[in-house]
Amino acid sequence: GDQVEQSPSALSLHEGTGSALRCNFTTTMRAVQWFQQNSRGSLINLFYLASGTKENGRLKSTFNSKESYSTLHIRDAQLEDSGTYFCAAEVNTEGADRLTFGKGTQLIIQP
Amino acid sequence: DPKIIQKPKYLVAVTGSEKILICEQYLGHNAMYWYRQSAKKPLEFMFSYSYQKLMDNQTASSRFQPQSSKKNHLDLQITALKPDDSATYFCASSQDLSQAPLFGEGTRLSVL
Repeated sequence: GDQVEQSPSALSLHEGTGSALRCNFTTTMRAVQWFQQNSRGSLINLFYLASGTKENGRLKSTFNSKESYSTLHIRDAQLEDSGTYFCAAEVNTEGADRLTFGKGTQLIIQP
Repeated sequence: DPKIIQKPKYLVAVTGSEKILICEQYLGHNAMYWYRQSAKKPLEFMFSYSYQKLMDNQTASSRFQPQSSKKNHLDLQITALKPDDSATYFCASSQDLSQAPLFGEGTRLSVL
């Protein structure tokens, strides 16, 4: 099965509202990263967390390593927040780190 | 200015041909990576290099060969191209293997 399960697969929000995206992990990992992939296909780093919570503007992310999940909260959504959001587990295997990505959440922000 | 440069941005190839995807980073990083994103699969790890040495290879096919001619370069040679190789190939780099990588803009490869 998938090591990184993202939900929901798609989400539509009106401007000014908010929601949470979630990743569940079925593998042991050192850390989690969150990315936004914009309409041009670029991958933008949002957060890197080995534990706890980080906040940046309208975004906040939490990583609960004990219960193997991470969340990304978006508040006061803006049109430019549209895109696909990926979480990735940093898996340390045989001494080398690699990222294992989820399938992404496609977020559409409507006026 | 982009600090991780991937060239070309778009690439069209015929089945059976060979292509080289270029990646250069100007961040002074010691670790570099290749990832692939296709329509059928989520972003997946391919290779990691540290100080120009291969550290991890998750690519089953030997048709994919990374090449590191300089510390800040990690090119990807793909031989005997197949339509299934069509994907966006992302190069990434980090200060070292334990740090979070930054990604380049990707090379979108279409194999006809």
